[in-house]
Amino acid sequence: DTAVSQTPKYLVTQMGNDKSIKCEQNLGHDTMYWYKQDSKKFLKIMFSYNNKELIINETVPNRFSPKSPDKAHLNLHINSLELGDSAVYFCASSPQAGGYNEQFFGPGTRLTVL
Amino acid sequence: SQKIEQNSEALNIQEGKTATLTCNYTNYSPAYLQWYRQDPGRGPVFLLLIRENEKEKRKERLKVTFDTTLKQSLFHITASQPADSATYLCALGTGGSYIPTFGRGTSLIVHP
Repeated sequence: DTAVSQTPKYLVTQMGNDKSIKCEQNLGHDTMYWYKQDSKKFLKIMFSYNNKELIINETVPNRFSPKSPDKAHLNLHINSLELGDSAVYFCASSPQAGGYNEQFFGPGTRLTVL
Repeated sequence: SQKIEQNSEALNIQEGKTATLTCNYTNYSPAYLQWYRQDPGRGPVFLLLIRENEKEKRKERLKVTFDTTLKQSLFHITASQPADSATYLCALGTGGSYIPTFGRGTSLIVHP
């Protein structure tokens, strides 16, 4: 019954490695998002896809590459991990694009880069 | 530059009292404002949305006000309970934006 799920929940890795985080929503929503929440708790948008098309691409290093194989999935791949990438990454979805829509968040993936 | 301010200090109140959290903004003309609740180790959960032409919105024990003159939203929880303890985030958006911008949140601690 999980609406928005992410795997893994925890990710500990060394600098320079490449890692992926997966996200799936079973709500039938058109739009999905990736957010980064840093140690100061700011929730910052990274990317958004609407019907598999990229609609938001904030100022994020190009080491981060999202991929949406279908409307229900939005994965995040990170190359050459750096210490500053350590944060909690949240996936979210909403029925449609547009800020009036309620967003449903996943449980988060805590990434620790050593 | 645009700024959203929520009190970084935790709000401590006694059970049964009304909790009031503040979201102030500058250099924004928001079309709407959302409030979310976030528990430790979990993702935010949507609570309420209020539009610029609405002064007040209610949902059970929750009440949100939106004053575009004062550039402020107030979030009230009446008859607060320890289970209401969490971080509350406000998020502002303009009519043309795809998504709102989040504040850093205020922690609420309700003591039994």
